[in-house]
Amino acid sequence: DSGVTQTPKHLITATGQRVTLRCSPRSGDLSVYWYQQSLDQGLQFLIQYYNGEERAKGNILERFSAQQFPDLHSELNLSSLELGDSALYFCASRFGTGGEAFFGQGTRLTVV
Amino acid sequence: DQQVKQNSPSLSVQEGRISILNCDYTNSMFDYFLWYKKYPAEGPTFLISISSIKDKNEDGRFTVFLNKSAKHLSLHIVPSQPGDSAVYFCAASTGGGNKLTFGTGTQLKVEL
Repeated sequence: DSGVTQTPKHLITATGQRVTLRCSPRSGDLSVYWYQQSLDQGLQFLIQYYNGEERAKGNILERFSAQQFPDLHSELNLSSLELGDSALYFCASRFGTGGEAFFGQGTRLTVV
Repeated sequence: DQQVKQNSPSLSVQEGRISILNCDYTNSMFDYFLWYKKYPAEGPTFLISISSIKDKNEDGRFTVFLNKSAKHLSLHIVPSQPGDSAVYFCAASTGGGNKLTFGTGTQLKVEL
């Protein structure tokens, strides 16, 4: 158990809909990262938050947004969903400015 | 632009032998490198890391080697065990707390 909790584990929704993925980082970790893994591909970096502030942005679509709350949990919002958004979405957390990142189990999103 | 590359999508090794997984990178600003292992339907699990000031780091059966001049790192697993069968990702980051950039992964199969 990495200590990073992601909910829900599975999500099936229709095209055009909006979903929210939730991540609770390890206790004390200030950084939260979101990654997308599509169909046996690598992990694509979406966005990073550090202590409530956006720190870095990757290839995140405009239809996607995220935030980190004062209790440090984070939410990734995906809207106007398309079939191609079907993927595994991982959240990772890290204590501060170095060391390894710990990953949650992921949310498998299926858009039908 | 794929800054971290794992050119072998798969590797098959006999139990008890050495597994060598390779990774190349292009960004000379990377200063911290990590290896993760991933089973299906689970999040990546941290294995071992190395800072750019070192050329070798060992942890039990796992050793990571870094060749900065060649921008190459490798993970050696000795002896390989069937439970090591998984996808292995290498990752790199620049500076403190920055995002991890992942390779596309190598599927390792350890056969009896």
